[in-house]
Amino acid sequence: QSALTQPASVSGSPGQSITISCTGSSNDIASYNLVSWYQQSPGKAPKLMIYEVTKRPSGVSNRFSGSKSGNTASLTISGLQAEDEADYYCCSYAGSSTLIFGSGTKVTVL
Amino acid sequence: QLQLQESGSRLLKPSQTLSLTCAVSGDSISSGAYSWSWLRQPPGKALEWVGYIYHSGNTFYNPSLKSRATISVDRSRNQFSLNLTSVTAADTAVYYCAREIVAHFDYWGQGTLVTVSS
Repeated sequence: QSALTQPASVSGSPGQSITISCTGSSNDIASYNLVSWYQQSPGKAPKLMIYEVTKRPSGVSNRFSGSKSGNTASLTISGLQAEDEADYYCCSYAGSSTLIFGSGTKVTVL
Repeated sequence: QLQLQESGSRLLKPSQTLSLTCAVSGDSISSGAYSWSWLRQPPGKALEWVGYIYHSGNTFYNPSLKSRATISVDRSRNQFSLNLTSVTAADTAVYYCAREIVAHFDYWGQGTLVTVSS
């Protein structure tokens, strides 16, 4: 199991939109609509932001949205705010009751 | 509000066995179709799924751990545990417990740092 591939860093100015990609394979992202995204601030536990590719948990801002095409999932943050600065991780079901995470992306608000 | 809290050994020597427990409060560990999971994050690195125990009692693990991990549940104490044998420095990480449903983790513990050093 190799980690899903994410860009190491993405940055944007307040108010802009950014997109974080998460590339997997035919064994994981491409085969299942079971991609989730987590936000992690320094020293904190991860927080669920998106599940089942596009669904947002209660309490998560609608500025966060998810999508998938083929073996690549994406997280888009619209109207970027300073509080969005954090690390973001994707996660996908990989068959046989196993899960795999992405390499992580650091989001910087300029 | 569901809460999870990790506890257990924090400093280990190579070849020892890591033992962690996650106490669940705010709901019964036996309610619902949830699984109870362990994840870890080496310092400065990405999250890694370790394994989980289904509500049925079946367990599943990250293949990379090569059968070193065992997850068990104590329903009478509303907690679940992780044992990881033959630890090395590569097992140094913050270990998180979490609730899993349909391949996502909705509640997490605060995490506990486990260090393996001679």
